[in-house]
Amino acid sequence: EAGVTQSPTHLIKTRGQQVTLRCSPISGHTSVYWYQQALGLGLQFLLWYDEGEERNRGNFPPRFSGRQFPNYSSELNVNALELEDSALYLCASIYRDSYGYTFGSGTRLTVV
Amino acid sequence: GEDVEQSLFLSVREGDSSVINCTYTDSSSTYLYWYKQEPGAGLQLLTYIFSNMDMKQDQRLTVLLNKKDKHLSLRIADTQTGDSAIYFCAESPTYSGYSTLTFGKGTMLLVSP
Repeated sequence: EAGVTQSPTHLIKTRGQQVTLRCSPISGHTSVYWYQQALGLGLQFLLWYDEGEERNRGNFPPRFSGRQFPNYSSELNVNALELEDSALYLCASIYRDSYGYTFGSGTRLTVV
Repeated sequence: GEDVEQSLFLSVREGDSSVINCTYTDSSSTYLYWYKQEPGAGLQLLTYIFSNMDMKQDQRLTVLLNKKDKHLSLRIADTQTGDSAIYFCAESPTYSGYSTLTFGKGTMLLVSP
């Protein structure tokens, strides 16, 4: 069974630019979560999508947004990038009645 | 709001037992999880425990839960160098299919030969 896949694995952007990160959940998983792992801050919850709808949002500004597609894959968009957006962005998926997320390997974003 | 605290670093020798501790503040926490993150990788679910349990054992891993003190620990028996990683404690008020997990900042475990 393929795991949660994220793309790209690394990217470098300039401050003020926009970026789109992609996530494909495990087949059959309907919920997708996005977390930001910045140095020294642990994992901060960003967004939760389930069945195509945004179910919950963390304490992040509106320039962080996303969506979930009918095939349950998801995108995370970050506009007007700031230096402090440099982090590892992790996507996780879960089937509704199971326990514990399955995480992808993440996208390492560096903003210069 | 919810908060999960962990010590930042633990160093042990190969073959010793490791104990990683975690405290949480949300009294409604129903499920508590331990994840492992190896360098350059995502998080791997190690084990979880329901709040109505005191202990759970899974091979070399033992999870102890003191609900009164809101304290969770992960014991790794016969620690190996391959256990070197960052370990995250996480809590959820429901089974995580319908909620977000709140993570601690992680404990870096370093196992020396």
